[in-house]
Amino acid sequence: QVQLQESGPGLVKPSQTLSLTCTVSGGSIRYGTYYWNWIRQPAGKGPEWIGRIYTNGSANYNPSLKSSVTISVDTSKNQFSLMLTSMTAADAAVYYCARESTYGYQSGSGYFDCWGQGTLVTVSS
Amino acid sequence: SYELTQPPSVSVSPGQTASVSCSGDKLGDKFVSWYQQKPGQSPLLVIYLDNRRPPGIPERFTASNSGNTATLTIFGTQAMDEAAYYCQAWDSSTGVFGGGTQLTVL
Repeated sequence: QVQLQESGPGLVKPSQTLSLTCTVSGGSIRYGTYYWNWIRQPAGKGPEWIGRIYTNGSANYNPSLKSSVTISVDTSKNQFSLMLTSMTAADAAVYYCARESTYGYQSGSGYFDCWGQGTLVTVSS
Repeated sequence: SYELTQPPSVSVSPGQTASVSCSGDKLGDKFVSWYQQKPGQSPLLVIYLDNRRPPGIPERFTASNSGNTATLTIFGTQAMDEAAYYCQAWDSSTGVFGGGTQLTVL
């Protein structure tokens, strides 16, 4: 049973960079046709997709965040990471990592079948 | 950018059928997933590839997707089904979520 766990600071100052890591246990991040995603959810709002990475390093980002986001993967540690620069109060949210399974290699068929518990990130000086 | 629109709230009596809609331009041409989220918990996948149920999801959860609207239907709604429900689809390799529908069972 694959499990995902987010880690990182719960408090970030405005203008600083947020760095979060997702550790995958119960299976290798290297195998299977999975994408590894970051999703955030501001308090009282719906989820917002941030981006995803495949194990070959290929990444897709939400166009609304593209200039601020970098997602990377470290297969040796079974982890993938998120960096979000120039944090503002609007970036305060629960940040989730999630595994995306796909229907073969069909584009647009992905679904998030495994989620981390989420980590709350507050932006304040 | 692509948008998915859901009604903010739906109410249903126990044992009755609840329907949650999700609308988007030519949504029927895309695959839709549905997620259930209870307070303080991570979202849980309840429907994927328009109408498939993951293992462990009760048969009372069904869904369809055609035209511009996807619909999640819960037959024989139970109190434990009270939660927020989110639809999700992909547009040009960008993930998009609906704003969510709070299902109240009363």
